[in-house]
Amino acid sequence: AQSVTQLGSHVSVSEGALVLLRCNYSSSVPPYLFWYVQYPNQGLQLLLKYTSAATLVKGINGFEAEFKKSETSFHLTKPSAHMSDAAEYFCAVSGIGRGADGLTFGKGTHLIIQP
Amino acid sequence: EAQVTQNPRYLITVTGKKLTVTCSQNMNHEYMSWYRQDPGLGLRQIYYSMNVEVTDKGDVPEGYKVSRKEKRNFPLILESPSPNQTSLYFCASSEPGTGSEKLFFGSGTQLSVL
Repeated sequence: AQSVTQLGSHVSVSEGALVLLRCNYSSSVPPYLFWYVQYPNQGLQLLLKYTSAATLVKGINGFEAEFKKSETSFHLTKPSAHMSDAAEYFCAVSGIGRGADGLTFGKGTHLIIQP
Repeated sequence: EAQVTQNPRYLITVTGKKLTVTCSQNMNHEYMSWYRQDPGLGLRQIYYSMNVEVTDKGDVPEGYKVSRKEKRNFPLILESPSPNQTSLYFCASSEPGTGSEKLFFGSGTQLSVL
């Protein structure tokens, strides 16, 4: 079985500050890991993905995430928050089936950017 | 433009009145899926389809039906909707590969069952 835990349903940071969204996973097989972003009234878009190549993954809009097997974590970071980063963020793990059919999503973290 | 199109965008109905939410993709993807999104619960998979005439249950299939008669279309059917099916629904598609495929999502259907 696989699962994803996102710590903090809401995270608030000031514009220009570091963004850190936490994700821990459990998987019975080496995982593939994803971060998706959902802007208001839109569907989800892929931010970045880890597929067993480099452990530090760079995504769109200046986001990156680091896979740490020893900590079973895949935290999302961005050095300097922008107002346009306000959105819902979902971490997801693909284990069983390794495909989209085996994708499990976390409950989401709402990122709030304070001016 | 590559996209997944869902209709309608908003739907209000009453308990027991059958409804269908349509989903169509123009990317020739083999894989399609339906999710529901509820506050505090994230996205949960309802059904998925690996190819035409091949469908399988996700995590929360009760009360839903799907069909995949054509590659591009994957409608979600609620035969007898109930208030607990009030939710935001998303259709998604991808090209199956080694597990690193990208899911393309529709814009969502907000369903309210009274």
